[in-house]
Amino acid sequence: GIQVEQSPPDLILQEGANSTLRCNFSDSVNNLQWFHQNPWGQLINLFYIPSGTKQNGRLSATTVATERYSLLYISSSQTTDSGVYFCAVLLFNDYKLSFGAGTTVTVRA
Amino acid sequence: GAVVSQHPSWVICKSGTSVKIECRSLDFQATTMFWYRQFPKQSLMLMATSNEGSKATYEQGVEKDKFLINHASLTLSTLTVTSAHPEDSSFYICSAREGGLGETQYFGPGTRLLVL
Repeated sequence: GIQVEQSPPDLILQEGANSTLRCNFSDSVNNLQWFHQNPWGQLINLFYIPSGTKQNGRLSATTVATERYSLLYISSSQTTDSGVYFCAVLLFNDYKLSFGAGTTVTVRA
Repeated sequence: GAVVSQHPSWVICKSGTSVKIECRSLDFQATTMFWYRQFPKQSLMLMATSNEGSKATYEQGVEKDKFLINHASLTLSTLTVTSAHPEDSSFYICSAREGGLGETQYFGPGTRLLVL
């Protein structure tokens, strides 16, 4: 099956700092999603981004499908950004999302 | 839009009892619903996929008789953990997809199950 690798596994930030999370995948994908799992466990859709660049407030994401990676940028981090960020991909002609192991982000005040 | 709810959010039960978890798509019709399990500090593991009106497809290693899934309508899927044991304690999350292949999945808030 497809391999989805996220880095770094853990990230500690001071409030206001910027950061970049990376997701590498081992095969061509039909869909890529970034999620934020908050401390209560809720998975929140951040981006649906099989290719290109999208921005939503302080967050932005870029997927370079030909090179099989995606980046999630967090700017001016806030304590509410803490949690686990997951990347998940969907192969063509498939219906099952394959999740990476996640990046745990801790933003300190 | 695209809201998925789960009920209950927390459940504590005695070993040997059965527990039912409901997953509902509130503002769209879900052609497919998915059930995941997540252990502490780990990623999500897909347990099964269900399509309305048909039998669920279980992932390898998931006991069909243990985890009963019913997708009775386009807005409701249920997961029943039968004869629960302490090792079934986990965080169970459902997701729903409106359209066909490639469509975004939307996730419910999860259900924490503790079996004593």
